[in-house]
This record gives sequence, C-alpha cells and structure tokens, in this order.
Amino acid sequence: GAVVSQHPSWVICKSGTSVKIECRSLDFQATTMFWYRQFPKQSLMLMATSNEGSKATYEQGVEKDKFLINHASLTLSTLTVTSAHPEDSSFYICMPEGQNEQFFGPGTRLTVL
Amino acid sequence: RKEVEQDPGPFNVPEGATVAFNCTYSNSASQSFFWYRQDCRKEPKLLMSVYSSGNEDGRFTAQLNRASQYISLLIRDSKLSDSATYLCVVNREGSYIPTFGRGTSLIVHP
Repeated sequence: GAVVSQHPSWVICKSGTSVKIECRSLDFQATTMFWYRQFPKQSLMLMATSNEGSKATYEQGVEKDKFLINHASLTLSTLTVTSAHPEDSSFYICMPEGQNEQFFGPGTRLTVL
Repeated sequence: RKEVEQDPGPFNVPEGATVAFNCTYSNSASQSFFWYRQDCRKEPKLLMSVYSSGNEDGRFTAQLNRASQYISLLIRDSKLSDSATYLCVVNREGSYIPTFGRGTSLIVHP
C-alpha cells in the first residue's frame, strides 16, 4: 500500500504560536491531499482538500486564513495552524486521494496550552 | 441527518463471540464504501472495502444494502486483538472524498 509520512507526530505549543504539519507521500505522487481533524471520541472531519499547484478547497466552517494549506509538490502538502489556541488541540491526519483504497498518514497530535 | 451514522457502542463481547455493526448513509448516490479500524491514538487503517455482492476476508464479512442504505460488518470468533474502533466510510457521490462515521467501539474481553 501507499506510504505516507507526517511530521511531527506530536507537538505541544503555547497559545498564539503557529504550527506547521508536513505530509509526504513517499512512494507515489499525490495530486490531491485530504486533511482531516479528529477530536477525542469524535469522527474524522474533513477540513480541506489540497491540490498540487492550486488553492485548497476548504469545508464549510473551516477558516482558510487560520489553517493554511500549501501543496507545492506532488510529494509534499503542508498544513499550518496559525495562532493556535487550545480549541485547536486535535489529531490532524492527511490522506492522499486514492482510487480503490485510502491510506492515511500516521497523524499529528497537536496540544495547545 | 448525518451523512454517515453509526452506533458508537461500546460493544463489549467475550472472546469467540460473533458481533455485527451497522452503518447507515444518507446519500443514495454514494458508490464506494469501506470499513476502517482505528486503534487508540493511531491513524485509521483500511480493514476492507464493501462491495455490492458482499465480501469476506477471513473472520470479517462486509455487506451492502443499497435499498436500505446501510452497510454491515460481521466479525466472527472475536479475538482480544479485535478491540478497536471500527469506522464506516462512504465516498461522496462522484468523488474519492471519504466521509467518516463516528465509529463503533468494540471491546473483546477474555
């Protein structure tokens, strides 16, 4: 199956700082990347869809100026949580668009103090 | 109505038991269906796709009922290692964008 990495795997930061999460597809080219967020005991919620070389598409209710997505190459998509606050603490997971199977990155656990 | 709905459980069963989970979806035009397994504090991993004719993989059987818009997962001879959250996933119509249910928690005890 596809190999997807995320970095960092976990991060703790102070309120007001920005955090960048990297998602890399290691053995294939990902034209499209989905970014999900999962709060404790909740479902994965799609935040945005990033497309290589173009602007990301954000889901309703997700602030595009707060969650900056860059998909500059076919192997790297980044999500930056700007001016993070405690309510942004969550599990962030990327997933490249697939055909018949879907493989996730290992996730980044963000804790904002 | 939510796009994908699941009973959150938890389902607490003894080893060797058979357990079944159901999931309903709202968009009748959905074409792709999956079951994922998620362990605590880990990313979801694909368990199996769900086909119209139903499919089986070892102790796991998945079925799709398009008329009633529900998907089921049957686990036979439960193992302790089956303890996890099982996520029902439905792709949005005409896309590969997965929509997740909130998951059903399974606890298998000795």
